[in-house]
Amino acid sequence: SSELTQDPAVSVALGQTVRITCQGDSLRSYYASWYQQKPGQAPVLVIYGKNNRPSGIPDRFSGSSSGNTASLTITGAQAEDEADYYCNSRDSSGNHQGVFGGGTKLTVL
Amino acid sequence: EVQLVESGGGLVQPGGSLRLSCAASGFTFSSYEMNWVRQAPGKGLEWVSYISSSGSTIYYADSVKGRFTISRDNAKNSLYLQMNSLRAEDTAVYYCARDILGLAYDYWGQGTLVTVSS
Repeated sequence: SSELTQDPAVSVALGQTVRITCQGDSLRSYYASWYQQKPGQAPVLVIYGKNNRPSGIPDRFSGSSSGNTASLTITGAQAEDEADYYCNSRDSSGNHQGVFGGGTKLTVL
Repeated sequence: EVQLVESGGGLVQPGGSLRLSCAASGFTFSSYEMNWVRQAPGKGLEWVSYISSSGSTIYYADSVKGRFTISRDNAKNSLYLQMNSLRAEDTAVYYCARDILGLAYDYWGQGTLVTVSS
C-alpha cells in the first residue's frame, strides 16, 4: 500500500490564493484527484487528471503536480470554499486500489 | 441526472453482518467501475473496495479483506457490500462512488451509517 500526506489545516484570507498540497510516492506515477467535503455532506470531486474540473466546479479551482507532490490551488478563495479537502490516488501497485490523504481543513478568514 | 442511493445501514453487534446496497440511476451502470468508501465519525475518507464494470476484477483495503465482499447486479443497476465479522472500527458512513477510468470518483451517494456496537 502507499500513503498520501496532507497538512491538517490551512487558512486563507477572503479573496486570496491558497495552495493545498498532497505528498506521496504514488503521485510520481499517478495523478491525484481532489474532493471537497462540507459538514454533513458527501464529498464532491473538484479536480482530477492533469487539471480537469467537473462541470459546475468554478474555475478558481486548479490542480498541478510535480514529482511526488500534487497541489490544489484556489485562486480568489470564497467563503463557500471553507471545507475539508482530500486528495486521492491509486495505490502504488496501480491496481485501482485507492488511497486518500488525511484531509486538509481550509478556513477562509 | 446521475443518482446513487445507499441503503442497508444500521446498528449491529460486534461480529454481526450487514449488507449495504447502492441503487444507481441516470447512467449506464454496467459501463462503470464502482467503489465503496467509508468515513468514520470525525475522521477522514478511507477507500474500502473496488469492482470493475463486469464484476470480474475486485480489490479490497487490507482493513476489510476477508470480511467484506463487494458485488454488483448490472441487470438491477445495483452495487452491494456484504460485511461480515463486523468490528467497532468498521463504524462509519459508507458511500458508494462511481469511478471514471481509475482517475477519480465523480459521483457519490449520500451515504449510509453503519454503527457496530453492543
